[in-house]
Amino acid sequence: KQEVTQIPAALSVPEGENLVLNCSFTDSAIYNLQWFRQDPGKGLTSLLLIQSSQREQTSGRLNASLDKSSGRSTLYIAASQPGDSATYLCAVYGGATNKLIFGTGTLLAVQP
Amino acid sequence: DGGITQSPKYLFRKEGQNVTLSCEQNLNHDAMYWYRQDPGQGLRLIYYSQIVNDFQKGDIAEGYSVSREKKESFPLTVTSAQKNPTAFYLCASSEGTGKAKNIQYFGAGTRLSVL
Repeated sequence: KQEVTQIPAALSVPEGENLVLNCSFTDSAIYNLQWFRQDPGKGLTSLLLIQSSQREQTSGRLNASLDKSSGRSTLYIAASQPGDSATYLCAVYGGATNKLIFGTGTLLAVQP
Repeated sequence: DGGITQSPKYLFRKEGQNVTLSCEQNLNHDAMYWYRQDPGQGLRLIYYSQIVNDFQKGDIAEGYSVSREKKESFPLTVTSAQKNPTAFYLCASSEGTGKAKNIQYFGAGTRLSVL
């Protein structure tokens, strides 16, 4: 059974810092991995999608990497801003289940 | 605007009452999903539907029911059999469920509380 873990559960950094969020998964037979952002009381916004054949994806100050063989992904946020404060979720899709399996998220607070 | 609309935003349920959460999409997507989100537990799949008039149980279907009579609509009923319904409910849709079509788009959610 696929399990997705995110570390740390919560993170507080001063504005301007570069930071890394971690995601690990137990079954490497995935089709793709997504990173989402969730603001308090809101739905999910997709940030980056990495296909299993890709190593990384970039969007603005965000860079996500994927090491499928080791079951790991990282989300790198450059020059963090208070507006980046939110919960970040990773999710993997693959195998025969046709399901998106989510991690428990990392709550990020960027202090001005 | 294309997207997914969930209503209501907040919902209160009395003990023994069934309540229905609405989810509508105008993305022309075949697949739709319902998730439950509890603090510290991430999202868990309740039900999903790959096509009209068909749906499958997810990981936590007990105490819930769904219907898929129209492509654009996938309502979720929280029945009185669900003893702990307080949670944030998210609806999503995707073009399909295959490898190239599984990207899911989410609604804004409904927060359900028990009175």
